[in-house]
Amino acid sequence: SQQGEEDPQALSIQEGENATMNCSYKTSINNLQWYRQNSGRGLVHLILIRSNEREKHSGRLRVTLDTSKKSSSLLITASRAADTASYFCATGSNDYKLSFGAGTTVTVRA
Amino acid sequence: EPEVTQTPSHQVTQMGQEVILRCVPISNHLYFYWYRQILGQKVEFLVSFYNNEISEKSEIFDDQFSVERPDGSNFTLKIRSTKLEDSAMYFCASSEYGTSYNEQFFGPGTRLTVL
Repeated sequence: SQQGEEDPQALSIQEGENATMNCSYKTSINNLQWYRQNSGRGLVHLILIRSNEREKHSGRLRVTLDTSKKSSSLLITASRAADTASYFCATGSNDYKLSFGAGTTVTVRA
Repeated sequence: EPEVTQTPSHQVTQMGQEVILRCVPISNHLYFYWYRQILGQKVEFLVSFYNNEISEKSEIFDDQFSVERPDGSNFTLKIRSTKLEDSAMYFCASSEYGTSYNEQFFGPGTRLTVL
């Protein structure tokens, strides 16, 4: 299975701190995408990183990809209360589906 | 900004009944998907649809499930005879190109409760 697995399962940080979460996967991929899900809501696309890229930035988000280790990390800098959500990595390959991990639940304390 | 929309937001049905979940993908997108998320579990792929036919489906997508693009804008998921274990959040997604090349954008989901 190519499913991503996030680590840690849960993360609690103070507002203003950085949050880092990791994703590992098992087989080769074409891209890896990160999504955010607020409680009981839909999935919001955050960022896509292709297999030939090593790092990507979008606002306060920084994503890295290490294909040799089959892992990715998502860093949220200067966290805000509104960043409280679950974060999922999802891998894409030569087929059509995305394979999701179990997610990291991030709580940002005011 | 264009977005994927889904109706209804919440559907309650009796076991054995048929349900149709509806989605309007982003207008210039060509690939359409259904996923589901059972409460507290991972998001699981059900099916992808391109050029008016299924391009890929998972083991979950058995004969009880079907998809259709009845007109130029809607994309539907039908469950013929619902089971208790079909209770989940169902997400529609669309992308401009296939997964290998592009982001998939998700709708807000339909929460299906089977009693």
